[in-house]
Amino acid sequence: DGGITQSPKYLFRKEGQNVTLSCEQNLNHDAMYWYRQDPGQGLRLIYYSQIVNDFQKGDIAEGYSVSREKKESFPLTVTSAQKNPTAFYLCASRLAPGQGSYGYTFGSGTRLTVV
Amino acid sequence: GQQVMQIPQYQHVQEGEDFTTYCNSSTTLSNIQWYKQRPGGHPVFLIQLVKSGEVKKQKRLTFQFGEAKKNSSLHITATQTTDVGTYFCAGSSGYSTLTFGKGTMLLVSP
Repeated sequence: DGGITQSPKYLFRKEGQNVTLSCEQNLNHDAMYWYRQDPGQGLRLIYYSQIVNDFQKGDIAEGYSVSREKKESFPLTVTSAQKNPTAFYLCASRLAPGQGSYGYTFGSGTRLTVV
Repeated sequence: GQQVMQIPQYQHVQEGEDFTTYCNSSTTLSNIQWYKQRPGGHPVFLIQLVKSGEVKKQKRLTFQFGEAKKNSSLHITATQTTDVGTYFCAGSSGYSTLTFGKGTMLLVSP
């Protein structure tokens, strides 16, 4: 079955550490997105990529970095510069704009906690 | 930037009662999407509306897009316990990214 796989499901980070969250999709979607979800805050866009080797900052990109070396993969690194990283991170994908009016497909998320 | 407001933040109903959540955008939208997130889960796409005044139904769920394409609503008739979750609207203008509302959390008591 096609879908998006996020790993790990739970992640604990020590202060000052960088951690990388994995996101892989086999839907042949061009566009991929990273969102952060905090209680009562809805979903806020961190980074997005519409094609391989290209990505753009979202609304809250500070302290995060991404890469898009393959169509299927869009890993997110939470750096030590992110002062409040504890949150639920969601990866999503969809067909490129103009290729169809479809919704986003989300992964099951990674819960990151700073310890 | 584009803002999407959603009300109410939270609603608790008895099973069988109706439920409505409203979404308002600060700008005219090209389309609006609705998602449902079950407790502990991830958002799942429900529907997309693109036309002014559009109304779509999915069983007990009715979705509307306003004439000015700046507001939308989701109405659930005769709620069931399986309807529990947070409902998000998300809008975009042209080919921009989606902007999500903060969601309405629905609790249904049997």
